[in-house]
Amino acid sequence: GAGVSQTPSNKVTEKGKYVELRCDPISGHTALYWYRQSLGQGPEFLIYFQGTGAADDSGLPNDRFFAVRPEGSVSTLKIQRTERGDSAVYLCASSPPAPLAGGTTDTQYFGPGTRLTVL
Amino acid sequence: RKEVEQDPGPFNVPEGATVAFNCTYSNSASQSFFWYRQDCRKEPKLLMSVYSSGNEDGRFTAQLNRASQYISLLIRDSKLSDSATYLCVVKNWAGTALIFGKGTTLSVSS
Repeated sequence: GAGVSQTPSNKVTEKGKYVELRCDPISGHTALYWYRQSLGQGPEFLIYFQGTGAADDSGLPNDRFFAVRPEGSVSTLKIQRTERGDSAVYLCASSPPAPLAGGTTDTQYFGPGTRLTVL
Repeated sequence: RKEVEQDPGPFNVPEGATVAFNCTYSNSASQSFFWYRQDCRKEPKLLMSVYSSGNEDGRFTAQLNRASQYISLLIRDSKLSDSATYLCVVKNWAGTALIFGKGTTLSVSS
């Protein structure tokens, strides 16, 4: 079946511009996660959605970053007033619901990422 | 102290070698542990979960020592196709996020 998809695959923008990154999770996956991976580092957690709501946004670095998932499926990560330090690969992951209500399974399936370059 | 620490390597080994990666984590309340594999310019993929009793999947063996907060991955009979970055991963105490180490790079040569 189809995996997690992310668009665009690459995005080049100028400092100060606004960008939107899109994630299509695996069908039926209720949990969706955004991570950011800088060169030479492991992925760093940004935000977690359970359904439509952001259950944990503690990883968002500042208020320039915002994410939505209005219908509980597709999610958009929005970055305002981009800075050169925002350059990274932005990864989205999803996971299926756990057998028991309210939980998630451990396995997260990652998309190919969006490589953001801020000039 | 970083939440998950691992030796970045690189580890350069010949085909057929046995190689071991180690990782430590700081939060003793952590409950779930994993090794992910990431190929160059690709997304991370789950290699295996790690259980207290230890677990094996073919040439790969993972161990967890909760007392020492230490996780290991052993790869036997290395193949060229094992060349990748191996990420040590711990689920956060709230169960809402994965915490990744920086990754250990393995290069297997013929």
